[in-house]
Amino acid sequence: QQQVKQSPQSLIVQKGGISIINCAYENTAFDYFPWYQQFPGKGPALLIAIRPDVSEKKEGRFTISFNKSAKQFSLHIMDSQPGDSATYFCAAGASGTYKYIFGTGTRLKVLA
Amino acid sequence: NAGVTQTPKFQVLKTGQSMTLQCAQDMNHEYMSWYRQDPGMGLRLIHYSVGAGITDQGEVPNGYNVSRSTTEDFPLRLLSAAPSQTSVYFCASSHRVAGVTDTQYFGPGTRLTVL
Repeated sequence: QQQVKQSPQSLIVQKGGISIINCAYENTAFDYFPWYQQFPGKGPALLIAIRPDVSEKKEGRFTISFNKSAKQFSLHIMDSQPGDSATYFCAAGASGTYKYIFGTGTRLKVLA
Repeated sequence: NAGVTQTPKFQVLKTGQSMTLQCAQDMNHEYMSWYRQDPGMGLRLIHYSVGAGITDQGEVPNGYNVSRSTTEDFPLRLLSAAPSQTSVYFCASSHRVAGVTDTQYFGPGTRLTVL
């Protein structure tokens, strides 16, 4: 019930293309779904987050789509750039509990 | 404003040795946590604290101790290091925004190798 399953494990996209990373969760008590971006040798940094009261949230080229009934959410990176090459982690948790379950990560490489 | 700082950046230990990983934040966040990151396993929560004097266990607490005597500091102690504790350790701090969002900030990490 505590798992967050993330796919794919790695992704290669051409510059200007769309990168899509998917996550699925099991615990229906989760109500906060952040995405983190991590560059080599650095700590993860919050990219964008969503709550289940909306089905989509967009910030610049980054969009989260959320499907509450399917217990799935995904990150879309539009017009992917080589600077987006990083590892992306989804996470899920119940806000206020401060305990988040992370996905296993997706290593994205954007080709110039 | 330095954010979340961690020391040391790298550490090599022998099996059975003990050490303390340091974590400090200057954002007056009430919540702090420790994660370990292993290849193919994402980040797993070791221990967390919701305020000075209050700590609790996460997913993988065995072999680690924490204490929180001040809001700023949250050290992680390895009592008797084992090779299975070879990992990258991240400290994070968090606060609530407008009572709704939880924004978590991570430190740069400590890469620990246990021989």
